[in-house]
Amino acid sequence: ELKVEQNPLFLSMQEGKNYTIYCNYSTTSDRLYWYRQDPGKSLESLFVLLSNGAVKQEGRLMASLDTKARLSTLHITAAVHDLSATYFCAVDRVGGNQFYFGTGTSLTVIP
Amino acid sequence: DSGVTQTPKHLITATGQRVTLRCSPRSGDLSVYWYQQSLDQGLQFLIQYYNGEERAKGNILERFSAQQFPDLHSELNLSSLELGDSALYFCASSVGLVSYNEQFFGPGTRLTVL
Repeated sequence: ELKVEQNPLFLSMQEGKNYTIYCNYSTTSDRLYWYRQDPGKSLESLFVLLSNGAVKQEGRLMASLDTKARLSTLHITAAVHDLSATYFCAVDRVGGNQFYFGTGTSLTVIP
Repeated sequence: DSGVTQTPKHLITATGQRVTLRCSPRSGDLSVYWYQQSLDQGLQFLIQYYNGEERAKGNILERFSAQQFPDLHSELNLSSLELGDSALYFCASSVGLVSYNEQFFGPGTRLTVL
């Protein structure tokens, strides 16, 4: 069974600080996705990483993918309160459009 | 606003009943995905339809079924409901068949089974 693990599960950080969320997965996958979910809201697609070494950046968020290590990171730079949300990673099994989600990381940015 | 609509927003029903959740994709999107989010199971992919045909299946129970109609809206049917089916059900749409097309999520339907 494909497993996707995120850590930490909960993250409280001060504004202006940097931090990284990790996403490990247990089987071969070429595609890794990051989503954001605000409390009580739906999901928003953040990044789609399609190959080993892929790096994407949007504002204060940067995502990277290492398929050999089966690891993706979501790096937060100089956090601001608006980044408070739950972040999910998901992987897509090679050969099929089937998504497996991580447990989510609940991020709280403290002013 | 993602452009994806879901109805109803909330649904309360009893065990053993059957419900239908509806999703209208963004204009021009041919793929519809269904997801379930619960405290116990987390986020799970259920099923994908593309232009009326089932294209991928995830952890969808046999009591659940879905279809996509010629106008591209989709319905998720849940039958013989159990307490554990209480969850938030999201649909998402994307323009193409492949999973790496950006998905746009609807606001969700919150199902409560009593």
